[in-house]
Amino acid sequence: QVQLQESGPGLVKPSQTLSLTCSVSGGSINSGTYSWNWIRQPAGKGLEWIGRVYASGSSNYNPSLKSRVTMSVDTSKNQLSLNLSSVTAADAAVYYCARDIGTAMGYWFDPWGQGTLVIVSS
Amino acid sequence: SYVLTQPPSVSVAPGQTARITCGGNNIGSKSVHWYLQRPGQAPAVVVYDDSDRPSGIPERFSGSNSGNTATLTISRVEAGDEADYYCQVWDSRSDHPVVFGGGTKLTVL
Repeated sequence: QVQLQESGPGLVKPSQTLSLTCSVSGGSINSGTYSWNWIRQPAGKGLEWIGRVYASGSSNYNPSLKSRVTMSVDTSKNQLSLNLSSVTAADAAVYYCARDIGTAMGYWFDPWGQGTLVIVSS
Repeated sequence: SYVLTQPPSVSVAPGQTARITCGGNNIGSKSVHWYLQRPGQAPAVVVYDDSDRPSGIPERFSGSNSGNTATLTISRVEAGDEADYYCQVWDSRSDHPVVFGGGTKLTVL
């Protein structure tokens, strides 16, 4: 079955760019019409959708983060990436990657990666 | 953007039934999905498309959706059900298509 694993620096300085990678195993990132999503969760708080990217490279972002977010895929490595620029303390969170699944009626997320904690501090 | 409202907490004794609600404007017209999240773990779907269960999820977990409220019902609650629960919808007509509820902490007394 498909498994996801996030990786990247756990500590980012304010105003710098957060860069994370999600490695996909057990299946090809190219298969099907799935989108690959980034979702974050600040400590003690709820889930926030950051955006999604398709194997084709097309993407959609949360309007509240759109000006700072870039997502991409590397099909040769079976990976997707997240860049979030100009980070502040408000961007500190556990970051998850997740694949969507569903129909035109609606999509949900399965599976999820285990998540990676990002701290923003100088 | 679309808003989903969940109670912050629900408490129930073992063996009883827990009901966790998710309110939204005409949510009955959307497909609602529910996730369970234990401390330190990623969320995992327990109900999708209002009332379907993934393989491996006990029949004790069920869902319903009508009008302005969707409900996750957990029958015969066990200590292991204690977790945070989130509802989620996909609002296809929005530029912010993915919406999560704020989450509900289920406490087993």
